[in-house]
This record gives sequence, structure tokens and C-alpha cells, in this order.
Amino acid sequence: QKEVEQDPGPLSVPEGAIVSLNCTYSNSAFQYFMWYRQYSRKGPELLMYTYSSGNKEDGRFTAQVDKSSKYISLFIRDSQPSDSATYLCAMSGRRSSASKIIFGSGTRLSIRP
Amino acid sequence: DTAVSQTPKYLVTQMGNDKSIKCEQNLGHDTMYWYKQDSKKFLKIMFSYNNKELIINETVPNRFSPKSPDKAHLNLHINSLELGDSAVYFCASSPSSGPSSYNEQFFGPGTRLTVL
Repeated sequence: QKEVEQDPGPLSVPEGAIVSLNCTYSNSAFQYFMWYRQYSRKGPELLMYTYSSGNKEDGRFTAQVDKSSKYISLFIRDSQPSDSATYLCAMSGRRSSASKIIFGSGTRLSIRP
Repeated sequence: DTAVSQTPKYLVTQMGNDKSIKCEQNLGHDTMYWYKQDSKKFLKIMFSYNNKELIINETVPNRFSPKSPDKAHLNLHINSLELGDSAVYFCASSPSSGPSSYNEQFFGPGTRLTVL
């Protein structure tokens, strides 16, 4: 079993829809939870991060972490064609740079105009 | 003024060859990483250096050897290339300390390696 599981998609939704992306994980030591966005032929870029359980909102994006269920989500409201990308969840146990980040396999999202 | 740059962007080579990928960051970060992303987009860490010292060394074949001449550069040398080495290799960097509560990793544009 992989430490982090993520549905690879692809997921295709019409412009303006609410998108829900999810990951599950098995390691209860994870405390930092991140979402990276990766456009085609580019490197990943950090979209949001959350420490421990709870919600975090940034514009149209909301990240949720439920540590009791080992489940994290990213919601995108009023989705735009420019949101079309691969979204990778990621997590680590410590803040230190010596702590590995474990990535999910990414969900490919396409927003239809 | 690219933050994390890699050369080359594309690398096509024959099996058995030796090749190097170079990475440079101008963000003043102390920590640099090499990741491998396979055809299914799975991103896996290979190595990490902090101030030129190896701190993460995942289970990769010893044909892969990282070298950090200074904290702004981290190169990856690959000996005796195999078909399975075909992937996109990403360099990344992060600050090892600072006011932010999380050390965000900044990724380079990637090097697409194809072994024939």
C-alpha cells in the first residue's frame, strides 16, 4: 500500500463548477499537508499548505484536513480553464528540510470552457 | 531571473551512456533536492543536500551520484543509463529556516530524459 493515495483522474468539469480533489494517507506521523499544482511541461508549484487538521481558505481554493480519517481535500470554487493542471497532494512529518515530502500521484484536472 | 534553473531541458541518449544534469538556484536557499517523476506523474525524492551535505539519500541505484559544489548548485550524474531511467527529473530548493512556518519547496522546470 502506498503511503499516499490519489485518484489519477482525469477529471473533466465545466467552467464555473466546484471541483473536489482528495487524497488518503496511511502514516499518522504526517502533520504538514500540501497541494501542489503542476501545469503541463512545468515544475510543481505550491498552492496551499495546512498544518494538522482543519480548513484553510485562499481565494477560490479551500484545503481541508481530517487527520482522524487520514483524508485531505482541495476544493476549487468557480473553476476556470486556467485551473486545468495536475494537482498533487503532498505531506510530511516535520517542518525540517531533512523531512521527506511524500507526494500523491496527482489528479489531472481539465476545466471545459 | 529564473529562481531554480536546470540544464538541459531535454536529454535524449543511448543506453549505457553517462550523462549529467545541472541545477542552480538564486533564491539563497540552503537545501536542494532531486526528484524523479515517472510517466504516471508519480514524484519521488532521490536526494537532498543541505549546505553541501547529503541529508536524504533514498534507495536509488548507485549509478546516480549527486554533487553539490556549493549551496546554490546541485548536479546529478548518471552512469550506464538504462531504459528505466527515462523520466522527468526535477530539481528543487527550500530555505532550511525562516519566518514561514513551512519550508516551501521551489521546483525547477524539469529535465526530460529519454533513454533509447
